[in-house]
Amino acid sequence: AQSVTQPDIHITVSEGASLELRCNYSYGATPYLFWYVQSPGQGLQLLLKYFSGDTLVQGIKGFEAEFKRSQSSFNLRKPSVHWSDAAEYFCAVGAHNQGGKLIFGQGTELSVKP
Amino acid sequence: DVKVTQSSRYLVKRTGEKVFLECVQDMDHENMFWYRQDPGLGLRLIYFSYDVKMKEKGDIPEGYSVSREKKERFSLILESASTNQTSMYLCASSFRTEGNQPQHFGDGTRLSIL
Repeated sequence: AQSVTQPDIHITVSEGASLELRCNYSYGATPYLFWYVQSPGQGLQLLLKYFSGDTLVQGIKGFEAEFKRSQSSFNLRKPSVHWSDAAEYFCAVGAHNQGGKLIFGQGTELSVKP
Repeated sequence: DVKVTQSSRYLVKRTGEKVFLECVQDMDHENMFWYRQDPGLGLRLIYFSYDVKMKEKGDIPEGYSVSREKKERFSLILESASTNQTSMYLCASSFRTEGNQPQHFGDGTRLSIL
């Protein structure tokens, strides 16, 4: 069965520092991969997605993610974090023949220190 | 941009009441989903629908039902509300049933059952 693991429940970084949020998935074939962000009291907003091709994908708000098949990972990165990036981040995987369902990780909460 | 609108941001109901949560999307999407979100548990799929009058159980359907009479509207029903259904409820939609379709989320309904 597919699964998504976000090993870090909570991360704190200083404003201006670089950020990497980890995501590992379990799926037999090449999955469809997504990163979402949720600001407090809001719904989820799509940051970026990977289906095929170039393994480094660019998203909104200056985020990027790299698909590494050998490590079953899809880590999210940002070179310089802003205070407004404080939010919860969810990694998700979609699969073939699953009716459009996504499997979400448990989320990583990001705090940004001034 | 896709707009997914949930009818209430906050809702307070009493134990035993029948509760309706409404969701409307404006992009002619085939798929619609209901999730509940609880701290430490991420997003859990309650029900989804891939067409009018069609529905499929998700991971935690007990105590809930859904209705999709029109393509743009997907309702979640708590038949007899209980305190353990106090949660944040998120509605989402996606264009087709393929796994590469991102889901678009509403802002959520924070439901309290007293």
